[in-house]
Amino acid sequence: NAGVTQTPKFQVLKTGQSMTLQCAQDMNHNSMYWYRQDPGMGLRLIYYSASEGTTDKGEVPNGYNVSRLNKREFSLRLESAAPSQTSVYFCASSEALGQGARETQYFGPGTRLLVL
Amino acid sequence: AQSVAQPEDQVKVAEGNPLTVKCTYSVSGNPYLFWYVQYPNRGLQFLLKYITGDNLVKGSYGFEAEFNKSQTSFHLKKPSALVSDSALYFCAVRDMNTDKLIFGTGTRLQVFP
Repeated sequence: NAGVTQTPKFQVLKTGQSMTLQCAQDMNHNSMYWYRQDPGMGLRLIYYSASEGTTDKGEVPNGYNVSRLNKREFSLRLESAAPSQTSVYFCASSEALGQGARETQYFGPGTRLLVL
Repeated sequence: AQSVAQPEDQVKVAEGNPLTVKCTYSVSGNPYLFWYVQYPNRGLQFLLKYITGDNLVKGSYGFEAEFNKSQTSFHLKKPSALVSDSALYFCAVRDMNTDKLIFGTGTRLQVFP
C-alpha cells in the first residue's frame, strides 16, 4: 500500500496564480483532511471531508477550495495565491471521523508551496 | 475552549538517557489523545494514542505515554534515547465538539551522541 500520496512535492507560484494540490489514499478511508504547517503554529486544519460527497471548513479555510472527487481523492485548490499561503500542506486520511479508535489519521509526505 | 499545549519548543538529551516530551490538554469530557512524529521533510507518522483503558500506552519505536487525568497531561517517554529519535513531535487532542484533531505547536527533540 502506498498510503497517502500527494502531488506535487514542491511548487513555486506567483501572486495571483492558481493551482490544485492533489491527494489520494489507498486505505479505503472514509475521512480526509487538508492541513497547513507553519513554523511555531503546529498544524491547522483547512478543510476536511468526513465522507465521500461531503466537505466542511476547518480552522483556516479562506483562500482555499476543496473537492472530494471520490472516496480515494481529495484535492485542494488555491484560486488566487497570496504570499500568506506560503506553507507546507499535508493531506491526511482516517477510517472515520469521531469514532474513537477508527479516527487515527495517516499523513502524506507534504507539498511545499512558495508564493512569490 | 479545547486546546493542547506543548510547553517546550526544544528538548535535548544524550543518547542512552531517558527522554520526556511534555503535553498538557484542556477538553471537556474524556479526552482522545495522540502523539505524532515528523522526521525532516516527511509527513507526520502516528506513534500512539489514548482512547480509554490503561493509563500507560505503548507505541511505535519503543515510545510510551502516560495519561494523567488529574494533571491533564499526556507526556511522551522513552527509557533510552537514540540519535535517530531526533525529530519534531506533535501532541494532539480530539475536539469533542467538532470531532477534529487539535495539534500542539510541536517539540523538537535533539538526541546527541
